[in-house]
Amino acid sequence: DADVTQTPRNRITKTGKRIMLECSQTKGHDRMYWYRQDPGLGLRLIYYSFDVKDINKGEISDGYSVSRQAQAKFSLSLESAIPNQTALYFCATSDSTRTDTQYFGPGTRLTVL
Amino acid sequence: EDQVTQSPEALRLQEGESSSLNCSYTVSGLRGLFWYRQDPGKGPEFLFTLYSAGEEKEKERLKATLTKKESFLHITAPKPEDSATYLCAVQTINAGGTSYGKLTFGQGTILTVHP
Repeated sequence: DADVTQTPRNRITKTGKRIMLECSQTKGHDRMYWYRQDPGLGLRLIYYSFDVKDINKGEISDGYSVSRQAQAKFSLSLESAIPNQTALYFCATSDSTRTDTQYFGPGTRLTVL
Repeated sequence: EDQVTQSPEALRLQEGESSSLNCSYTVSGLRGLFWYRQDPGKGPEFLFTLYSAGEEKEKERLKATLTKKESFLHITAPKPEDSATYLCAVQTINAGGTSYGKLTFGQGTILTVHP
């Protein structure tokens, strides 16, 4: 089984809808991250969490919110989706007590019409 | 502001033709430089971490090196299965020496190896 899983893997939605992307990990890592990837813009950090009670904004947090429900679960919400939020979304985890290397999930392809 | 620039944007090689990818960076305090491989539609796959200038790491046909301003990913005798996007990222530390954790990525180099 994969160490970092993301659901759904693909989602098509309409402008104005609320969307939640979920990330779960079995690696036992304390830190979790959400990135989006757009062609030509690379990977950009949306939010990150160093533990359940520590949530931080990344460079492009506007229009997004997150919830760290448990050490192993980190969800990303789009309260009112807009077309320019169409992108690939990746969750990542890392262990701050070891190398702090980030390991990525398989991604969610989100299309907002 | 931390900046990472990768070059070239795209590289086309013949099988067996060795070459190098470049990652130049500007950061306030480097904790580590990371290389990832990404196949189309998939998540980045961790390859290497380099922590200090002069450090080198190898894995199969790949060798990563680090200086104070840049890193190189050398590909020796590449095969078609090495075709992918290679991403470079930096992780920084604050004045107290604590890792910020988050990564700043470059745009990536798209490598295509023809048989």
